[in-house]
Amino acid sequence: SQQGEEDPQALSIQEGENATMNCSYKTSINNLQWYRQNSGRGLVHLILIRSNEREKHSGRLRVTLDTSKKSSSLLITASRAADTASYFCATVTGANNLFFGTGTRLTVIP
Amino acid sequence: GAGVSQSPSNKVTEKGKDVELRCDPISGHTALYWYRQSLGQGLEFLIYFQGNSAPDKSGLPSDRFSAERTGGSVSTLTIQRTQQEDSAVYLCASSLVIPPPRDEQFFGPGTRLTVL
Repeated sequence: SQQGEEDPQALSIQEGENATMNCSYKTSINNLQWYRQNSGRGLVHLILIRSNEREKHSGRLRVTLDTSKKSSSLLITASRAADTASYFCATVTGANNLFFGTGTRLTVIP
Repeated sequence: GAGVSQSPSNKVTEKGKDVELRCDPISGHTALYWYRQSLGQGLEFLIYFQGNSAPDKSGLPSDRFSAERTGGSVSTLTIQRTQQEDSAVYLCASSLVIPPPRDEQFFGPGTRLTVL
């Protein structure tokens, strides 16, 4: 399966702390994307990192990609209660289909 | 502008009945995707459309599942003779173009299907 796997499955932190989530995958990719899903709502695209990039920033988000290890990490700095959600990594190979992992459930405690 | 919309938002049906799920993509988006998210699981790719054609149907779990898209816009996912294992949230997404540039997919809110 090309599906990514996130680690940890669940993460609970205090507001203001940083949250790090990891994703591993199995095949060569064109790009890797991170999505957020709030309870009862649809997926929201957070950030895309291409296979020739190693790091990318967007606001409080920092994503790294190590294609030699087939892994990526998502760092959320200065977390807020509103960051509470499930976070999914998704890999893109040939066609623009996304293969999602099982997600990390992040809880930020106010 | 309007995002991707799906209907119904919730559907409860009895085992053996057929169901139709609808997706309205963002206007102008040529690519449309269907995914399934079972409880506690990641997203499972089902099918995608480029215009009205579906080049990749490999993700459909069985021949009870079918999908069509008309006019390059609205898509329906049909599940015949539903089974309890079909219970899941069915998500639709659309994007501007496929293939390159690889583009962001915009997701709808999903349809929660419960098969009793």
